[in-house]
Amino acid sequence: LLQESGPGLVKPSETLSLTCAVSDDSLKKTVYHWGWIRQPPGRGLEWIGNLHLGGNSNYNPSLKSRVTISVDTSKNQVSLNLTSVTAADTAVYYCARRNYLETSGLFDYWGPGTLATVSS
Amino acid sequence: AIQMTQSPPSLSASVGDRVTITCRASQDIRNDLGWYQQKPGEAPKLLVFAAADLHSGVPSRFRGSGSGTDFTLTISSLQPEDSATYFCLQDSIYPLTFGGGTRVEI
Repeated sequence: LLQESGPGLVKPSETLSLTCAVSDDSLKKTVYHWGWIRQPPGRGLEWIGNLHLGGNSNYNPSLKSRVTISVDTSKNQVSLNLTSVTAADTAVYYCARRNYLETSGLFDYWGPGTLATVSS
Repeated sequence: AIQMTQSPPSLSASVGDRVTITCRASQDIRNDLGWYQQKPGEAPKLLVFAAADLHSGVPSRFRGSGSGTDFTLTISSLQPEDSATYFCLQDSIYPLTFGGGTRVEI
């Protein structure tokens, strides 16, 4: 259902750009919101943010100044941009769907994740 | 931010055992909690939502309970395929926060 992709390696101070391809038509349905979560190697999960098709977005305050999540219904994809990256942003990044129809807004499907490494 | 304290960090149990994992929230989150299972190299899978509702296709040996600040995931009869990391997620108040995870070893 969801498949993340990205550059794999990003230099410090640059922008990390990831995309998530959605394989069905759920991106156009308002009962779903779309989010990103990350997991640094050997550490726990951190919610980055989520976006509703209507434009309403919420971001983790710890990342808010550097993060933008967007949806492109013509390409059926969700995007994440994270600016001014440092080594602390090295993580597996997951795209996930929040389902307000069937699972009370919890993330019901996640992509397999993509590793983004920040290094010069 | 709401802190989710999950315990134990890891456990080892035998096939057929009853296993209990807990999550405690630093403030009242009603029943806005889910439980996930994650195996190495795989995407997390939703087991329980709204603290106690079993997600579609999840075996009935998994059960969630609790409300307010204290929550439990119980596996009634551990199976070999249950070897994984389990974590909780609160979606009551932004920012959403996760428990630290429990690694279950058979």
